[in-house]
Amino acid sequence: GQQVMQIPQYQHVQEGEDFTTYCNSSTTLSNIQWYKQRPGGHPVFLIQLVKSGEVKKQKRLTFQFGEAKKNSSLHITATQTTDVGTYFCAGRGDTGFQKLVFGTGTRLLVSP
Amino acid sequence: NAGVTQTPKFRVLKTGQSMTLLCAQDMNHEYMYWYRQDPGMGLRLIHYSVGEGTTAKGEVPDGYNVSRLKKQNFLLGLESAAPSQTSVYFCASSYSEGRRSPLHFGNGTRLTVT
Repeated sequence: GQQVMQIPQYQHVQEGEDFTTYCNSSTTLSNIQWYKQRPGGHPVFLIQLVKSGEVKKQKRLTFQFGEAKKNSSLHITATQTTDVGTYFCAGRGDTGFQKLVFGTGTRLLVSP
Repeated sequence: NAGVTQTPKFRVLKTGQSMTLLCAQDMNHEYMYWYRQDPGMGLRLIHYSVGEGTTAKGEVPDGYNVSRLKKQNFLLGLESAAPSQTSVYFCASSYSEGRRSPLHFGNGTRLTVT
């Protein structure tokens, strides 16, 4: 079945440093969604990418969908302590009726 | 507008006991889901429902049952709890299963089985 892996599993940065998490799928995706989960909280939807090569920005966050629609990345510029949490990608296969499959997540810790 | 509400927030069970987790949404969403979250394993789909009166198995359905008698409610049952079911359970809903429907999650239920 479809598998979605994320790297790294964990990253600890100093406030102001950049951060990137990568998401890789074993199959081609129709779209990819990104969620953020604060410690002790629940996942919250951030954004969705649909087109091959698509790039979207939300303030300091830049999301990218690969040309082959099998990978994606989230880049945070100049991290802040409010960025702390776990970031999940979630992808849906592009053939037939496919369920959303979540990646394993990247936990980000930001020190002031 | 409360969104997705899960009860209870915490529960401790002994092996073999049963319980039901309740999920309620007030967004008139068709689709509802139950996930479990374990360290290092992300979110895994247990069961889901595409509408009132329907249910389907997800990735890890064994040991769980679900019911969707009303559109706004989705119940997750554990008939005979096992320590392997210690986890955080999240309910989610979406408008549709279409490409552009994000999931709205509840606050989660932390379950410990001893």
